[in-house]
Amino acid sequence: GAGVSQSPSNKVTEKGKDVELRCDPISGHTALYWYRQSLGQGLEFLIYFQGNSAPDKSGLPSDRFSAERTGGSVSTLTIQRTQQEDSAVYLCASSWRAAANYGYTFGSGTRLTVV
Amino acid sequence: GENVEQHPSTLSVQEGDSAVIKCTYSDSASNYFPWYKQELGKRPQLIIDIRSNVGEKKDQRIAVTLNKTAKHFSLHITETQPEDSAVYFCAASGAPTGTYKYIFGTGTRLKVLA
Repeated sequence: GAGVSQSPSNKVTEKGKDVELRCDPISGHTALYWYRQSLGQGLEFLIYFQGNSAPDKSGLPSDRFSAERTGGSVSTLTIQRTQQEDSAVYLCASSWRAAANYGYTFGSGTRLTVV
Repeated sequence: GENVEQHPSTLSVQEGDSAVIKCTYSDSASNYFPWYKQELGKRPQLIIDIRSNVGEKKDQRIAVTLNKTAKHFSLHITETQPEDSAVYFCAASGAPTGTYKYIFGTGTRLKVLA
């Protein structure tokens, strides 16, 4: 596609429910990243995928968070048993490859609200 | 791991004046430093970047400088305009341990006063 697409754009869920957030990267981009941005805060790294390599999961805040990337394209971030502190904007980004000097293109994000 | 500090957290300037945002990083092996602009309610967008083999880079009213010895880099915006109002994030990347993720600073909210 022309850009990084994320869905849904907004999600309100009850505490304790599971949610799935979807990211469709730019066609041909082999690297995909997930970040979290809490209200008024910076960008917190969660996980990244590069091709068929094992993902870097070092930023996932707890075992309630997991992510998959199927077929080297679409990625799904799953949060189980959501808590209020999970409320944030979840941003996905992709780049042509995971290298130090390839800029990210971000999606518009999914605003998650846990009530 | 890498840590990036960004200052100031908020910055107000008069239209036409210059704005400077500074970042320091901890990992001397980092070799790529992008800057992102995020307007209210929108996605972050890359505005300029610099690699460690370069000391300065300019693009119209925007410039970035890098001091590898001191491990700091700065964003300079000249002749500021109201549309420059946004949150700006610096980032560092490229440590040789293979972690290509960006570590972002906490952001600077720039307000350009007309």
